[in-house]
Amino acid sequence: GAVVSQHPSWVICKSGTSVKIECRSLDFQATTMFWYRQFPKQSLMLMATSNEGSKATYEQGVEKDKFLINHASLTLSTLTVTSAHPEDSSFYICSAPWQEDEQFFGPGTRLTVL
Amino acid sequence: GENVEQHPSTLSVQEGDSAVIKCTYSDSASNYFPWYKQELGKRPQLIIDIRSNVGEKKDQRIAVTLNKTAKHFSLHITETQPEDSAVYFCAASRGGGGYQKVTFGTGTKLQVIP
Repeated sequence: GAVVSQHPSWVICKSGTSVKIECRSLDFQATTMFWYRQFPKQSLMLMATSNEGSKATYEQGVEKDKFLINHASLTLSTLTVTSAHPEDSSFYICSAPWQEDEQFFGPGTRLTVL
Repeated sequence: GENVEQHPSTLSVQEGDSAVIKCTYSDSASNYFPWYKQELGKRPQLIIDIRSNVGEKKDQRIAVTLNKTAKHFSLHITETQPEDSAVYFCAASRGGGGYQKVTFGTGTKLQVIP
């Protein structure tokens, strides 16, 4: 099966700093990737759709200037949380489609903002 | 946009009993319905999926049914085991090769009591 990796797996940062999270498809190309956020004991909420070679599509209510997405290549999408605050602390997960409709998820990144 | 509702939010069953989780969706264009199992701090794992041209699908102890007219779909787990304990999410998508976004239900925490 396909493999999607994320880096880092966890990060702790001070309020006001920026954090970059990488999502890679290791053995396949992904022109589209999805970024989700999951708060404790809640569901996965789609933040944005990352498109290789074009701008990301953000879901309603997600600040595009705060959550910067760059799909630099067919195997890499990055999410940068700018000027992070404690309320941005969450579990961030990416996914990429593989064969028909199935999505493969990355292992997630636990962000804690102090 | 799509809205997926899921019930119950928590479910406790005795080992060996069956568990049923129900979901409804709102977008009549949705045609792909995956179910995910998520253990604490880990990525969602696809356990079974169904497409709109099929009413039922079974894989060993797991089965999914779909009523497209009523926009209902359900997950059935028979002969539950302690290792089935996890959070289960239903989801809906318009399909299209995985490039359509996936909307998740609110999740069901299943506890299988030995």
